[in-house]
Amino acid sequence: GQNIDQPTEMTATEGAIVQINCTYQTSGFNGLFWYQQHAGEAPTFLSYNVLDGLEEKGRFSSFLSRSKGYSYLLLKELQMKDSASYLCARLTDSWGKLQFGAGTQVVVTP
Amino acid sequence: EAGVTQFPSHSVIEKGQTVTLRCDPISGHDNLYWYRRVMGKEIKFLLHFVKESKQDESGMPNNRFLAERTGGTYSTLKVQPAELEDSGVYFCASSQGGQANEKLFFGSGTQLSVL
Repeated sequence: GQNIDQPTEMTATEGAIVQINCTYQTSGFNGLFWYQQHAGEAPTFLSYNVLDGLEEKGRFSSFLSRSKGYSYLLLKELQMKDSASYLCARLTDSWGKLQFGAGTQVVVTP
Repeated sequence: EAGVTQFPSHSVIEKGQTVTLRCDPISGHDNLYWYRRVMGKEIKFLLHFVKESKQDESGMPNNRFLAERTGGTYSTLKVQPAELEDSGVYFCASSQGGQANEKLFFGSGTQLSVL
C-alpha cells in the first residue's frame, strides 16, 4: 500500500546494537531518508540512500534494497543519548517532498 | 548559523478561534515546507514553497488553512476557524534548493491544542 512501515518501539542496552527496519512502497521511489527526533525537539538528518547498499557514518549505518522496498538503520555502540524516535521517510517527488513512517521509539537502558 | 525557528512553541485555543503560526527558515533557503503530526500518527506533508511561490499545496487539509510566504523569507500558516481535529504539532522545514535529495532542516514545531 501507500504506507511506510516501521516498528513502534525497540529497547536495547547501552553498548549494544539495534537495527530498525523500514518497508515502503517501491513505485515512485526517489530516495530514502532517516531522521532522529528527541522528544520535543526538531527532527535531525541522519542519512540518505538512493542506491542499493550500505552507507556507513560513524556509529550509524543505513541500508537500502530498492527491489525489496526495504531499508534499515543500524545503531552501533548504543549510548543513552541515542534514546529517541527514528523516522524513516521516502522522497516522493523531485522537489523534496517526504512521506514519513510513524517512527520507531528506541529506548536505551543502562 | 541560526536554525529554523518557529513561533509560538505552544498554542492553546478554543474551537472557532484563529491561530497564526510563524516559521523563519535558515537564511538563504529557497525551499520551505510545512508538515503536521496529529497525535499517534505519522508526520504528514502540508505544503511546499519555493521562494514566495507555492510549489505544492496538495497536503493542505481544507480551506480553513492558509499559508503565505510574502517576500520569500518567513512563512505563516493561519488556521481559521480552528477545529478540534487541527490539534497536533506543526513543523516547518527548509532546504537551500536545487536538488530533491537535500536534507531538510526542521524547526522544533508548534504544539497546537484546540479545545
